[in-house]
Amino acid sequence: DTAVSQTPKYLVTQMGNDKSIKCEQNLGHDTMYWYKQDSKKFLKIMFSYNNKELIINETVPNRFSPKSPDKAHLNLHINSLELGDSAVYFCASSQLMGGSYEQYFGPGTRLTVT
Amino acid sequence: GNSVTQMEGPVTLSEEAFLTINCTYTATGYPSLFWYVQYPGEGLQLLLKATKADDKGSNKGFEATYRKETTSFHLEKGSVQVSDSAVYFCALSEKSNTGKLIFGQGTTLQVKP
Repeated sequence: DTAVSQTPKYLVTQMGNDKSIKCEQNLGHDTMYWYKQDSKKFLKIMFSYNNKELIINETVPNRFSPKSPDKAHLNLHINSLELGDSAVYFCASSQLMGGSYEQYFGPGTRLTVT
Repeated sequence: GNSVTQMEGPVTLSEEAFLTINCTYTATGYPSLFWYVQYPGEGLQLLLKATKADDKGSNKGFEATYRKETTSFHLEKGSVQVSDSAVYFCALSEKSNTGKLIFGQGTTLQVKP
C-alpha cells in the first residue's frame, strides 16, 4: 500500500496553461505539505494544511493555489504556467498532534513547462 | 532564521569505504533533526532522526548524533555499498505548530565498485 501518492508522476505542458497535481495519504496524518525541488535538488516548503486549515503559506506566486478537500488530500493548482515553474513537486504528510514531526514523502511530480 | 548547511558534493567513494557527510544547523530552541535519502527518480525517505541533544539516530548501518554544543548532526556509515548511491538531505524541524522542515542543500554520494 502506498502511504503518500501523487498524480501524475510526469506532467509536460506549455506556458500559459493551468494544471493540477493531486496528493493523497493513507497514513491517517493530520498535516500535509507541498515542497518544490529545483534543478539543483534544493527543497523548499510551499504550503501546509493541518486538518484542512492552511498553516504555512511561504512566498509563492499567487498563481499557485493549494486545496484540501479533507485531511487525506492536498491538491496543488497552478495557473498560467511559466518556464520557471519547471521542477519536481513533492507532497508530504506528518502527524503533528503528538509532536513526531517526521514527514513522509510522495514519489514526486516532475513538471516540465515548454 | 533557522538554517541547515551540508558539505558540498558530490562525494565519490569506493565500496566499503567510510562515509561522513557533515551537517550543521542554526536554530532557536531545540529542533528535531533528520537525515533523508533520495534515490534516483524517487521521493525522499526518512533515514534516521534525533529529537534531543545527545540522541543517536541509526538505520541501515547509518548513524548520526545530535550535538548541541557544536550544532551538528553528521551522517556516518562504516562501510558503504554501491546501493547507497543517492542524494542525502539533512533537515531540521522547528517543533512549532507547523512542523515545517528546513532542508540542507543535499549531498550526492556516488559509490563505485
